Amino acid sequence: EDQVTQSPEALRLQEGESSSLNCSYTVSGLRGLFWYRQDPGKGPEFLFTLYSAGEEKEKERLKATLTKKESFLHITAPKPEDSATYLCAVPPGGGADGLTFGKGTHLIIQP
Amino acid sequence: EPEVTQTPSHQVTQMGQEVILRCVPISNHLYFYWYRQILGQKVEFLVSFYNNEISEKSEIFDDQFSVERPDGSNFTLKIRSTKLEDSAMYFCASATDNYGYTFGSGTRLTVV
Repeated sequence: EDQVTQSPEALRLQEGESSSLNCSYTVSGLRGLFWYRQDPGKGPEFLFTLYSAGEEKEKERLKATLTKKESFLHITAPKPEDSATYLCAVPPGGGADGLTFGKGTHLIIQP
Repeated sequence: EPEVTQTPSHQVTQMGQEVILRCVPISNHLYFYWYRQILGQKVEFLVSFYNNEISEKSEIFDDQFSVERPDGSNFTLKIRSTKLEDSAMYFCASATDNYGYTFGSGTRLTVV
């Protein structure tokens, strides 16, 4: 069964304190790994897609990396506006539609 | 920036009633989806829609659910007879290809 597990469930950081969020996945035939940001009461907002091990993508203070079993979302010198829930998702194995999401990491950046 | 628009933002309905959730996808997108998120739980895939028909549906998407694209712009999710456990945020998404999704802000459905 396809699985996506994110850790930690919640993370509180001081402004400027860098850290990483983890997404472990189990899927047959990875067709991409997606990172989204979700603000309270809003829909997920697309951040990155990674397709192969070793790939990295960056956007402002965020950098996503991918290995064969997990992905990391590194946040460098975060600001309070980076506070959100970060979701990881993969397409299911077998070519099926839809995305399988993890439960997310709730990130709080304190000023 | 183009966006996916969902209405209403919040709907309260009595158990057993029918509800229709509405979405206006981005105009040049070809793939349409509904997802739901029960409070405190994962975002879950319900159904995908392409070329005016359902491409795929999850186990959650049973006979109580249906989708329609009644005209060139709207995409609707109907729940025929709501249950308490249907209370959730429902997200519409659209995409130009299979996974480049843009999600709407969601409809919070509360069944009482």
